[in-house]
Amino acid sequence: DAGVIQSPRHEVTEMGQEVTLRCKPISGHDYLFWYRQTMMRGLELLIYFNNNVPIDDSGMPEDRFSAKMPNASFSTLKIQPSEPRDSAVYFCATARRSWETQYFGPGTRLLVL
Amino acid sequence: SQQGEEDPQALSIQEGENATMNCSYKTSINNLQWYRQNSGRGLVHLILIRSNEREKHSGRLRVTLDTSKKSSSLLITASRAADTASYFCATDPHTDKLIFGTGTRLQVFP
Repeated sequence: DAGVIQSPRHEVTEMGQEVTLRCKPISGHDYLFWYRQTMMRGLELLIYFNNNVPIDDSGMPEDRFSAKMPNASFSTLKIQPSEPRDSAVYFCATARRSWETQYFGPGTRLLVL
Repeated sequence: SQQGEEDPQALSIQEGENATMNCSYKTSINNLQWYRQNSGRGLVHLILIRSNEREKHSGRLRVTLDTSKKSSSLLITASRAADTASYFCATDPHTDKLIFGTGTRLQVFP
């Protein structure tokens, strides 16, 4: 298995632009998590899905953030409009069961200028 | 607030020495997990210990769990330069979510 795949690996954009991050989960994993990691705030859970359904989005910082999972093979995290404070590494992680091992993707390093 | 907090925040040792990291948490849990993150990479699962277990081993890793004190420790024996990374504990406080701690940065000098 290729593991969790994220794209792009790096993104540099200007304030106000739309940013779309993508994640392909491991086949057979029912849970998908989006995290954000910064030096100041550490690793924060933004939102997670179970069987493609958003379960808890309480970590999504603002309405500028949205996430979708149209099918079991694909999820997106969108920021519109982006701001410099959104600069962070965004991770996607998946798991068979919510309480079991989570498998992390390599992350997308986002820089908003 | 953070469910798990690691101690120390940073640790520097020589190759061959043992490294011990501690994690404290606040609420009752189903299990506790330890993850490693190399610089610029995603987190990698190391070991899971269930709430009814007290100790678990995996290679050079030894994890203990004391639910009465709400704490866990990760011991890496005979450390190597390749063990240099950040280490996170994550707890499952009877929810669908894992709550990650703040991490310990381990530096192992050759």
